[in-house]
Amino acid sequence: QKEVEQNSGPLSVPEGAIASLNCTYSDRVSQSFFWYRQYSGKSPELIMSIYSNGDKEDGRFTAQLNKASQYVSLLIRDSQPSDSATYLCAVNGNYGGSQGNLIFGKGTKLSVKP
Amino acid sequence: KAGVTQTPRYLIKTRGQQVTLSCSPISGHRSVSWYQQTPGQGLQFLFEYFSETQRNKGNFPGRFSGRQFSNSRSEMNVSTLELGDSALYLCASKVRENTEAFFGQGTRLTVV
Repeated sequence: QKEVEQNSGPLSVPEGAIASLNCTYSDRVSQSFFWYRQYSGKSPELIMSIYSNGDKEDGRFTAQLNKASQYVSLLIRDSQPSDSATYLCAVNGNYGGSQGNLIFGKGTKLSVKP
Repeated sequence: KAGVTQTPRYLIKTRGQQVTLSCSPISGHRSVSWYQQTPGQGLQFLFEYFSETQRNKGNFPGRFSGRQFSNSRSEMNVSTLELGDSALYLCASKVRENTEAFFGQGTRLTVV
């Protein structure tokens, strides 16, 4: 059973702090990793994708990937109350040689306090 | 560039009925995937279509089916609805496998 694990939270950080979200995955052949943000009652919104080991930065967001440890993380710098949402980690599945689907973690709920 | 469009946004159905949901992908995207989201199970993969062919299927009963048309639009059908089918159904499109997937607004299905 291929799995993606995340701490459910809630993770509470003060405004202006760094929020650190973590994710582990079980399938060693996974090649693509994504972070989605989902506000309550809305659909997931892609915020970061990462395909190779190391860090990838986009504005206040940094994704980190370590394939050897099967670990991917998301850092949010200068957290804002508008960042309060559930963050979903997703990994490309590998069924029958096709990586057409995503396997999602249950999500980490982030709360940024003013 | 228009995003992924799902219709309808909300549906209320009775147990035993069937329902058809529609998804129009981003222009140029040939892959369409469907997901079910519930509070207890999170986001679960239903199936994926690419160039009118089902390429992958998740672990759902045969009551859940889908298809894709030549213009890449996709439909999913759920027959003999059960209370447990109440969920947010999400469609995502991408250019090809192993690339970024973009979600539509979802269809909220309530079975009573």
